Amino acid sequence: QVQLQQSGPGLVKPSQTLSVTCVISGDSVSTNSAAWNWIRQSPSRGLEWLGRTYYRSKWYNDYAESVKSRITINADTSKNQFSLQLNSVTSEDTAVYYCARDVASGQIDYWGQGTLVTVSS
Amino acid sequence: DIQMTQSPSSLSASLGDRVTITCRASQNIVTFLNWYQQKPGKGPNLLIYDASSLQSGVPSRFSGSGSGTDFTLTISSLQPEDFATYYCHQSFNIPRTFGQGTKVEIK
Repeated sequence: QVQLQQSGPGLVKPSQTLSVTCVISGDSVSTNSAAWNWIRQSPSRGLEWLGRTYYRSKWYNDYAESVKSRITINADTSKNQFSLQLNSVTSEDTAVYYCARDVASGQIDYWGQGTLVTVSS
Repeated sequence: DIQMTQSPSSLSASLGDRVTITCRASQNIVTFLNWYQQKPGKGPNLLIYDASSLQSGVPSRFSGSGSGTDFTLTISSLQPEDFATYYCHQSFNIPRTFGQGTKVEIK
């Protein structure tokens, strides 16, 4: 059974960096058969895919154009986790952030518990 | 980006009703279409993948159909635990995109 456990601060000041980490159990971040995603949800934007990292003999990343200049997703194989960093945040980045695993045809079969991140001074 | 449009945005139904939710993609996504159920305070839960494949552990009253641009999620007989919000999701290309959701409420 795969579990994704998220951690990170719930409050970030405007212009600072949002960081959330997702620890994986029951699978490996460097598996060749899955990708590791970050998705956020807010009332105004709905479910919004932010990006992913995956390993296929080397590491790859894909990012949404809307955040491409501000986002970094990294995998840490020693801790079997992956992380999201979003720079220069504004109130528009206030949302629940989810980590998630996708497999096979891209369906997301496991989600983290979600982290509510509020951007406010 | 591929736009995913769900209809209706919300619906009211009674226990035992047959419920149908539709999802339209702005371009051909073959069968790279997935459906999720989300309850308040929880993350989405995968119901259907590849347009019509039932995820393990999901009750058989849920079914999916469609290909190309038009897709349907059907609940054959609505149960109390099915009152939730449902989302479609395309995994044809990057960026992944989701529908805006359909909230199923008790009539």
